Amino acid sequence: DIQMTQSPSSVSASLGDRVTISCRASRNIGHVLAWFQQKPGEAPKSLIFASSTLQSGVPSRFSGSGSGTDFTLTITSLQPEDCAVYYCQQHYAGPLTFGGGTRVE
Amino acid sequence: EVQLVESGGGLVQPGGSLRLSCAASGFTLGDHHIDWVRQAPGRGLEWLGRTRSRTYSYTTVYAASVEGRFTVSRDHTETTVYLQMKDLTSEDTAVYYCTRLTFYGTSVGYYPDYWGQGALVTVSS
Repeated sequence: DIQMTQSPSSVSASLGDRVTISCRASRNIGHVLAWFQQKPGEAPKSLIFASSTLQSGVPSRFSGSGSGTDFTLTITSLQPEDCAVYYCQQHYAGPLTFGGGTRVE
Repeated sequence: EVQLVESGGGLVQPGGSLRLSCAASGFTLGDHHIDWVRQAPGRGLEWLGRTRSRTYSYTTVYAASVEGRFTVSRDHTETTVYLQMKDLTSEDTAVYYCTRLTFYGTSVGYYPDYWGQGALVTVSS
């Protein structure tokens, strides 16, 4: 199985800050990565696919980058509604493994 | 409006079975892959399995952790996807989500876009 490792496990930031979350795959997965946001008590929401393409309706302060084994989710100018847990998921090979999550507070 | 609504969750005894439903509306179910993902209390997300789109003859694939115990299927009206679970243990206690995957082109492939609200399954005596 491909292991997905996210860091940090949690981050505390202030309104307007830039937040960066890393996701590392245990082997080369090309660009085949998605990012999700999950707020407390809610279902996950799809943010980004193919490493860097925003889903429809996702604010432009969110961006994704990376390829191969190293990927990054960036939130520029953090807003209160961005407080959530963020997960990456590889879609390169089954099982489609998730990272452990990063809590943004 | 695209909607996915899970149902069928509840309390089940260890060793028991349960079938979850994922009712789809606002889109043509046969055009999309559907994944099942679960989240144990206070834990992260775990991918369980998939029913592929009509293009792929509705074939299924599973995580090793549930293969042989969990079965994903679609009904003949193509409005509902099911997750049949058997031989349940306390480790299967979780919120179960269905998620729609959309095809974004040959060079991109299928990715999740919409999620249901989840169904809680509790395995306990």
